[in-house]
Amino acid sequence: DADVTQTPRNRITKTGKRIMLECSQTKGHDRMYWYRQDPGLGLQLIYYSFDVKDINKGEISDGYSVSRQAQAKFSLSLESAIPNQTALYFCATSDSQRVSYNEQFFGPGTRLTVL
Amino acid sequence: SQQGEEDPQALSIQEGENATMNCSYKTSINNLQWYRQNSGRGLVHLILIRSNEREKHSGRLRVTLDTSKKSSSLLITASRAADTASYFCATPDGANSKLTFGKGITLSVRP
Repeated sequence: DADVTQTPRNRITKTGKRIMLECSQTKGHDRMYWYRQDPGLGLQLIYYSFDVKDINKGEISDGYSVSRQAQAKFSLSLESAIPNQTALYFCATSDSQRVSYNEQFFGPGTRLTVL
Repeated sequence: SQQGEEDPQALSIQEGENATMNCSYKTSINNLQWYRQNSGRGLVHLILIRSNEREKHSGRLRVTLDTSKKSSSLLITASRAADTASYFCATPDGANSKLTFGKGITLSVRP
């Protein structure tokens, strides 16, 4: 099945460490997104990419960076992790060629804890 | 700021009952989507309703859209314990059509 995968699924790290979360998709979609989810706050968009050469900041990009290495891969980095970046992180994809082109398909999430 | 806001924040019902969840939004949209999230897992798309549609069905789901009131409702009929999850509405945000999600409704269906 075409899918969206995220690695790692769980990560515990210490303040100040650099962390990379990876997302891969086999759906052939051109658009990819990174969200974080905190209890009671819904999903907040961190970065999004509409193709390999297009990277855009979302609502809460400070402290994060991304890399779109290929159409199928979109990585999120925390340059120097801090405790308030403890959250559930989701990658999602969408296909601009679909009629319902902003329907998004989510990965299983990465639970990140920063001590 | 949130584009879509769901109501109520939490809902607890008995199995077999219907569950109604509401979403309000602020600006004009070309579609509205509902997603479901089981505890700690990724969101799953349930249904999309376009701005020129008033009602749409998918299995036990019924979605309505009232563009004059900028609101949508999601009805789950004959609920099951397996429907226990969080439900989010999402709307396209501006010309780029990235989605903005509400904070979600937690639905608990008691067996």
